[in-house]
Amino acid sequence: AQSVTQLGSHVSVSEGALVLLRCNYSSSVPPYLFWYVQYPNQGLQLLLKYTSAATLVKGINGFEAEFKKSETSFHLTKPSAHMSDAAEYFCAVSAGTASKLTFGTGTRLQVTL
Amino acid sequence: DAGVTQSPTHLIKTRGQQVTLRCSPKSGHDTVSWYQQALGQGPQFIFQYYEEEERQRGNFPDRFSGHQFPNYSSELNVNALLLGDSALYLCASSFGTRDTGELFFGEGSRLTVL
Repeated sequence: AQSVTQLGSHVSVSEGALVLLRCNYSSSVPPYLFWYVQYPNQGLQLLLKYTSAATLVKGINGFEAEFKKSETSFHLTKPSAHMSDAAEYFCAVSAGTASKLTFGTGTRLQVTL
Repeated sequence: DAGVTQSPTHLIKTRGQQVTLRCSPKSGHDTVSWYQQALGQGPQFIFQYYEEEERQRGNFPDRFSGHQFPNYSSELNVNALLLGDSALYLCASSFGTRDTGELFFGEGSRLTVL
């Protein structure tokens, strides 16, 4: 079975500051890990994915995440926040079948001036 | 290139009624999955359809059923609606059932049960 824990339901950063959204996973098999973003009244959009290749994964809009097996973590970072990054972010895990994802409860990112 | 389209976007039902939600996958995709996203929660997997058959199912009661048509579009049916069924229902499409590629999500159907 797989599960994901996202630490912090709300994160607030200033524009230009570092964004760090935390995700820890649990999986009985080597996991595939994903970060999705959801803007208000929209569906989910894939930011990036880890599928057992490079541990540092680069995604869209300047985001990246690092898979750390020893820490069972897959934290999402962005060096400099932009107002347009304000959204809900979801970490998800699967056992290798992309369709069946187990999502975390989400982290709402607020970006202030 | 049309993405995943869902209908209706919003609907209101009363307890005990039945509802049907519809989804057309992204062009070239043959697998459709449905997720339920309650307010303030992450999406939860309901089931997946491939080759017109239910291939995987999450922890949802039999009141939730689905169908996939030869053109790969899909329906989600929920019978005997409960207040707790109020949620955003998301459809996602992909190619094949073991693809680790990107899942494309629609904008969802927001169901309110009164």
